[in-house]
Amino acid sequence: DVVMTQSPLSLPVTLGQPASISCNSSQSLVHSDGNIYLNWFQQRPGQSPRRLIYKVSNRDSGVPDRFSGSGSGTDFTLQISRVEADDVGLYYCMQGTHWPPYTFGQGTKLEIK
Amino acid sequence: QLQLQESGPGLVKPSETLSLTCTVSSDSISSSNYYWGWIRQAPGKGLEWIGSIYYSGSTYYNPSLKSRVTISVDTSKKQFSLKLSSVTDADTAVYYCARCSSRKNGMDVWGQGTTVTVSS
Repeated sequence: DVVMTQSPLSLPVTLGQPASISCNSSQSLVHSDGNIYLNWFQQRPGQSPRRLIYKVSNRDSGVPDRFSGSGSGTDFTLQISRVEADDVGLYYCMQGTHWPPYTFGQGTKLEIK
Repeated sequence: QLQLQESGPGLVKPSETLSLTCTVSSDSISSSNYYWGWIRQAPGKGLEWIGSIYYSGSTYYNPSLKSRVTISVDTSKKQFSLKLSSVTDADTAVYYCARCSSRKNGMDVWGQGTTVTVSS
């Protein structure tokens, strides 16, 4: 199975400042169809996960443009341009290229300083 | 807006079978555009994909759970179900059902989750 490794695991951020989460895969996530099936999810405290980004950089409907995704091959990044209080929670990357199985990163806990 | 709702017992005894159902609020469960899946999250842990099913009944399971998992679909009832056999306390988790927008794109709509505790 593809192992997804996130860093940092804990991310204290000052309101209004940018934040960045890295995700590394144990194998290239470039699919034979040319796509990269790398998703980012947000899980606010006490809530279900919500997909923010699919195929590396495509925002889901309703996701603020403060969130952006980038990367290629085995290295990916989720960036938040200006952190708001509502952004507190856990963030997970997940690969679908080598499905099944889908595999998730360990999660990064974003908190406000 | 599509909604998914998990239901089932919140307490299961060790060695027994965990059974959950997800009810989908629209006919999209019969659509060829989507897959339907189960994901779980043990207390204080990350997310683990359990398996997915297509409207036709084709199933895909996590190899780590494959020997104990059965996922089925009943499009007439707009439901899909999870059975996990021979449970232990390691199976205590919040179980989510979700829609996958394609085989590889992952889960774009999630249920609220249901907590299952394995305990005698």
